[in-house]
Amino acid sequence: KAGVTQTPRYLIKTRGQQVTLSCSPISGHRSVSWYQQTPGQGLQFLFEYFSETQRNKGNFPGRFSGRQFSNSRSEMNVSTLELGDSALYLCASSMEGGLSHEQFFGPGTRLTVL
Amino acid sequence: AQSVTQPDIHITVSEGASLELRCNYSYGATPYLFWYVQSPGQGLQLLLKYFSGDTLVQGIKGFEAEFKRSQSSFNLRKPSVHWSDAAEYFCAVRRTQGAQKLVFGQGTRLTINP
Repeated sequence: KAGVTQTPRYLIKTRGQQVTLSCSPISGHRSVSWYQQTPGQGLQFLFEYFSETQRNKGNFPGRFSGRQFSNSRSEMNVSTLELGDSALYLCASSMEGGLSHEQFFGPGTRLTVL
Repeated sequence: AQSVTQPDIHITVSEGASLELRCNYSYGATPYLFWYVQSPGQGLQLLLKYFSGDTLVQGIKGFEAEFKRSQSSFNLRKPSVHWSDAAEYFCAVRRTQGAQKLVFGQGTRLTINP
């Protein structure tokens, strides 16, 4: 079974631009969560989607948004990029209602904002 | 609010030596508990998890962890480390129902001396 895939793996943008990151969960997984990882703040929860609905949201400004499609694939968007948005963005999927209750992480997208 | 503390930012051990990484959590009830490992430039890999039952859980790569309710701790152990264990280790908690939000500790970076 293929793991969680994230595209692109690396991105370089400039301040003020916007960016869209993509995540394809493991087949059969319906929950997708996004996390931001930075050296200063560590791993922080952005939001979670389940059945195309945002179920939980972290403490990030409105510039960070996301969505989930009917096939459970998810995208996150960051508008008006700031230097502090440079980070590794990790996506994780989970089989809601499954016995394991664990999240499987993708390799991440490394975003650099210049 | 949930929180996780990993008191040791960086630990160095010799190859073949035993290892214990500390994790303390703050939560109103017993949460789900996890240990993840991250190699440079990679996503997170689940080492082990605790949901209920036996408080000593076994994971992959020879790791184990013990849940101690009275101390709100979930320390990770390995009897003999290998050079390939050098990585960053994250303890995480999640509530037992509903949203899949993981709350992570700041991580412990493990260096192995030959």
